[in-house]
Amino acid sequence: IAGITQAPTSQILAAGRRMTLRCTQDMRHNAMYWYRQDLGLGLRLIHYSNTAGTTGKGEVPDGYSVSRANTDDFPLTLASAVPSQTSVYFCASSDGRRGNSPLHFGNGTRLTVT
Amino acid sequence: GQNIDQPTEMTATEGAIVQINCTYQTSGFNGLFWYQQHAGEAPTFLSYNVLDGLEEKGRFSSFLSRSKGYSYLLLKELQMKDSASYLCAVTDSNYQLIWGAGTKLIIKP
Repeated sequence: IAGITQAPTSQILAAGRRMTLRCTQDMRHNAMYWYRQDLGLGLRLIHYSNTAGTTGKGEVPDGYSVSRANTDDFPLTLASAVPSQTSVYFCASSDGRRGNSPLHFGNGTRLTVT
Repeated sequence: GQNIDQPTEMTATEGAIVQINCTYQTSGFNGLFWYQQHAGEAPTFLSYNVLDGLEEKGRFSSFLSRSKGYSYLLLKELQMKDSASYLCAVTDSNYQLIWGAGTKLIIKP
């Protein structure tokens, strides 16, 4: 089934530890995104990639890094986790060639930093 | 700054009709999306409006007025499975998506 796969589904992480959230899509979409979702707030963009080999900063990039070595994979790394990074993280992709391309979301990773 | 406003929570009765409003102030406008998100799940695409007027898709319709910076999502013949959060998002002049905080819709029997 075509779509986006995120791993892990959930994780409890000690503060100061490094963590990589994985995201893979098989729809051959050019654009990919990482969002965090916190209660009472809208989805906030962390980083994005318009095409393989390029990345850009979103609204809340501090403490996070991404890479886009190929079309399918877009991992998100927390270099040294802090409790404020406790959130639900969603990876998304879109065709990206048209302004009306909807986002397709993965099932999310629920991260708790203690 | 850019801002999208939606009611935090709404309650409706099974079989009834509900209208969820969204107002926006953004730097330019290139379209408005509605997404549905069930608790603990990912958002899923519902509708897209770029021109003024009503777009109907089964039990769901979405309306846009660009001059008023206003949209609504209309849900008819409500079913219990429609209990979810509904997210409004606007694409600005740079094609960046600006998200509202979402409206939690509670359906009562």
